[in-house]
Amino acid sequence: AQSVAQPEDQVNVAEGNPLTVKCTYSVSGNPYLFWYVQYPNRGLQFLLKYITGDNLVKGSYGFEAEFNKSQTSFHLKKPSALVSDSALYFCAVRDNAGNMLTFGGGTRLMVKP
Amino acid sequence: KAGVTQTPRYLIKTRGQQVTLSCSPISGHRSVSWYQQTPGQGLQFLFEYFSETQRNKGNFPGRFSGRQFSNSRSEMNVSTLELGDSALYLCASSTQGAGTEAFFGQGTRLTVV
Repeated sequence: AQSVAQPEDQVNVAEGNPLTVKCTYSVSGNPYLFWYVQYPNRGLQFLLKYITGDNLVKGSYGFEAEFNKSQTSFHLKKPSALVSDSALYFCAVRDNAGNMLTFGGGTRLMVKP
Repeated sequence: KAGVTQTPRYLIKTRGQQVTLSCSPISGHRSVSWYQQTPGQGLQFLFEYFSETQRNKGNFPGRFSGRQFSNSRSEMNVSTLELGDSALYLCASSTQGAGTEAFFGQGTRLTVV
């Protein structure tokens, strides 16, 4: 069975500083990895995905994520955080059989001015 | 292109009643998935439909059911509502393929009193 772990319930960072939101996964075969963001009372918005190729994936709003196969990780990063980045972030994985997306528990990102 | 539309946005029901939630996917998307989001349990997968067939099912009791119509619109039904069914129910649509991202609606907030 596939699974995703987001070890931090909350990440606090000062505006202008780099941020990292951690994600590790477990899946059979090659993983398909996704990051989503959720603002209050809204659905999830797609940020970026890894399918194959370059381990550094760039996405929306200046976010990027680094795929590390040996560590089974897919951490979300941004060089300079904005207060408006404060939201709930979800990592998700799907196996190459195309089964359903499995989400991590979510990490709340708080960016302080 | 219109996004995923979920109706209604908010719903208040009494214990023991039943409820039907609706989801209209993005035009051309044939896969529709449903998720339950609660503060304690995070995002839990309910089921996925593709071309009117249930392709995957999560670990929920039989009170939770769904269906998909020939135009890809989907409904989910919860019978004999319990207080613990209070949650944000999210629908997501996608094209076929393990590497395709899912697009989420804004959700239906169900409150059971």
